[in-house]
Amino acid sequence: GQQLNQSPQSMFIQEGEDVSMNCTSSSIFNTWLWYKQDPGEGPVLLIALYKAGELTSNGRLTAQFGITRKDSFLNISASIPSDVGIYFCAGQYNFGNEKLTFGTGTRLTIIP
Amino acid sequence: GAGVSQSPRYKVTKRGQDVALRCDPISGHVSLYWYRQALGQGPEFLTYFNYEAQQDKSGLPNDRFSAERPEGSISTLTIQRTEQRDSAMYRCASSGTTGHEQYFGPGTRLTVT
Repeated sequence: GQQLNQSPQSMFIQEGEDVSMNCTSSSIFNTWLWYKQDPGEGPVLLIALYKAGELTSNGRLTAQFGITRKDSFLNISASIPSDVGIYFCAGQYNFGNEKLTFGTGTRLTIIP
Repeated sequence: GAGVSQSPRYKVTKRGQDVALRCDPISGHVSLYWYRQALGQGPEFLTYFNYEAQQDKSGLPNDRFSAERPEGSISTLTIQRTEQRDSAMYRCASSGTTGHEQYFGPGTRLTVT
C-alpha cells in the first residue's frame, strides 16, 4: 500500500538540540496528523492539522500543514531523552474517506 | 476503559487455523479502524466502521480477512486459513464524531507458524 515519504529516515542528535523532519505526498490531504511510537507501544497522537498553512504547537512540538496540502513538517525544540522514538506522519483525505495513510517514519535517537 | 484495548495482545497460531482479533474502542467513539503494521513501517489501513456500518474495506488483503462491528462498539477482525505472510502487528484505532483524530490501541502481535 501507499506510504508517504518521510525524511530523514533516522536522526542522531544530542540532548538539547532542535529537530526538524518532514513528510511529503504525491496527493493532496485535508488533514495531517503526527504520531510518536515507542517500542512495543501503539502510535500516540501528538498534533493534528486541519488547514493548509496552519501552524500548531503542542509544548516543544510545532507542526505545519504545507500550503500545497502535499506536505507537512514537525519540529521539536530542545530535545530531551523521552523524545526518542519513531515519528510518523499521517494524511487523511476526509470527505467520506477517513482512512489514514502513514509515512515511512523518522527514527530519533539521542546520543548521550 | 480510558483507551482503546485489544485482545489478545499476542497470538501464535498454526498455518491454516482461523483467528479472531478483538478491539474495544474508547467509550462513545463512533468510528473504528483496523490497520496492520509491519516491523519498521507505518501502519497500513485495512478497514473501518462508522457505528456498525463498514464504510471502507479496500485495505483488506484478500477474502480471508473480514471484520464486523455488530453493535457499533466492539469489533472483531477475523482471518481465516491463516498463512505465514499474515504474521504482523494488527492495530485498532477509534475516533469521535469528527473522524480526524484517531487513537490507537496497543495492538495484537500475530505469529503464524
